[in-house]
Amino acid sequence: DAGITQSPRHKVTETGTPVTLRCHQTENHRYMYWYRQDPGHGLRLIHYSYGVKDTDKGEVSDGYSVSRSKTEDFLLTLESATSSQTSVYFCATKGGNQGSNEQYFGPGTRLTVT
Amino acid sequence: GDSVTQMEGPVTLSEEAFLTINCTYTATGYPSLFWYVQYPGEGLQLLLKATKADDKGSNKGFEATYRKETTSFHLEKGSVQVSDSAVYFCALSGSNAGNMLTFGGGTRLMVKP
Repeated sequence: DAGITQSPRHKVTETGTPVTLRCHQTENHRYMYWYRQDPGHGLRLIHYSYGVKDTDKGEVSDGYSVSRSKTEDFLLTLESATSSQTSVYFCATKGGNQGSNEQYFGPGTRLTVT
Repeated sequence: GDSVTQMEGPVTLSEEAFLTINCTYTATGYPSLFWYVQYPGEGLQLLLKATKADDKGSNKGFEATYRKETTSFHLEKGSVQVSDSAVYFCALSGSNAGNMLTFGGGTRLMVKP
């Protein structure tokens, strides 16, 4: 297993407040991803990073921003949380080898916006 | 764009029954295909994968064959156990720049003793 931790694991916040979720990995993987998981939708990509300071948008990026200042850390920020952002958020990583395309997932963060 | 469709659940089986969870996909090029499993309260774990047509991925008694002619990657197990109760996700990795995964909606499997 890739060493991936997420913090916090659970958070309840109020509408309109900023929230930052952290993903930390110890595998020196090049790629990092943020997904959200909602019933009936599987996992949907929010943003991803292909290196330090290199990020790009995913399928459902509106209302989210990311930053990656170090290889091991990938932050997801909700600038002004809304109830539609209540979800379970998963971080994932992937090595840079061309022949290895599977992703490894963290334990998730359950976010509730009231 | 890429998409993955898998059968809706929940699928309820008795212990030792045969399992099939259907998965079909739409993608350009030659995607890699995956099955991930999620146990309650946990993240996703890679169960098996296949990277080219006719490849068979296998792990822990589960199998899936990459069928390009039918664009399918059905998950099978000959004899399920209670401990197999989980949510199963089919996914593909296409030729996009970030090697992103596209997931199906997930299928919950419940195995009764």
